[in-house]
Amino acid sequence: AQRVTQPEKLLSVFKGAPVELKCNYSYSGSPELFWYVQYSRQRLQLLLRHISRESIKGFTADLNKGETSFHLKKPFAQEEDSAMYYCALLGRRGANSKLTFGKGITLSVRP
Amino acid sequence: DTEVTQTPKHLVMGMTNKKSLKCEQHMGHRAMYWYKQKAKKPPELMFVYSYEKLSINESVPSRFSPECPNSSLLNLHLHALQPEDSALYLCASSQGSTDPKETQYFGPGTRLLVL
Repeated sequence: AQRVTQPEKLLSVFKGAPVELKCNYSYSGSPELFWYVQYSRQRLQLLLRHISRESIKGFTADLNKGETSFHLKKPFAQEEDSAMYYCALLGRRGANSKLTFGKGITLSVRP
Repeated sequence: DTEVTQTPKHLVMGMTNKKSLKCEQHMGHRAMYWYKQKAKKPPELMFVYSYEKLSINESVPSRFSPECPNSSLLNLHLHALQPEDSALYLCASSQGSTDPKETQYFGPGTRLLVL
């Protein structure tokens, strides 16, 4: 079974403050993890994936297999970062794949 | 074209109606997905089509009937829905390979209200 846990529902910070959105996973195979973001009235879109080791909009996420975590971090939050963030795990079922989402966290960045 | 498009944007239907949701992509992706998303909840997988064949059905009630006429199109036929089926229905697509870099791209969704 594959499971993604985002322990917090809401994170509210002031502009310029550091942000860490937590994500833990449970999966028996080799995990493929993603962060998706959903801005108000916009479609769900990929923010970053662990395999690319990239930084998008100042966000980074490192896969820690020992702690089974994939926390999303940004050193200085901006107001435009306010959105719903979902951590997701891609699990394999034979030749098929299934994307399982965490419950999501609302990030609110105040001026 | 690097987008997944969905029509209609909004749909209101009665419990006795028959309607269809449409999804289209022209990225050459061979896997397409239907998700259901209730308010302030994560998307939940309903169906997966791989190379135009249904490969995953997450125990979805038969009042939802998916169809993949070709590699670019995915439909979801709705019949005799219940008010609790009201939700945002998301379509997504991906390359469809076992490449670990496979990423799903989402459409804007169809917001469905069942009266």
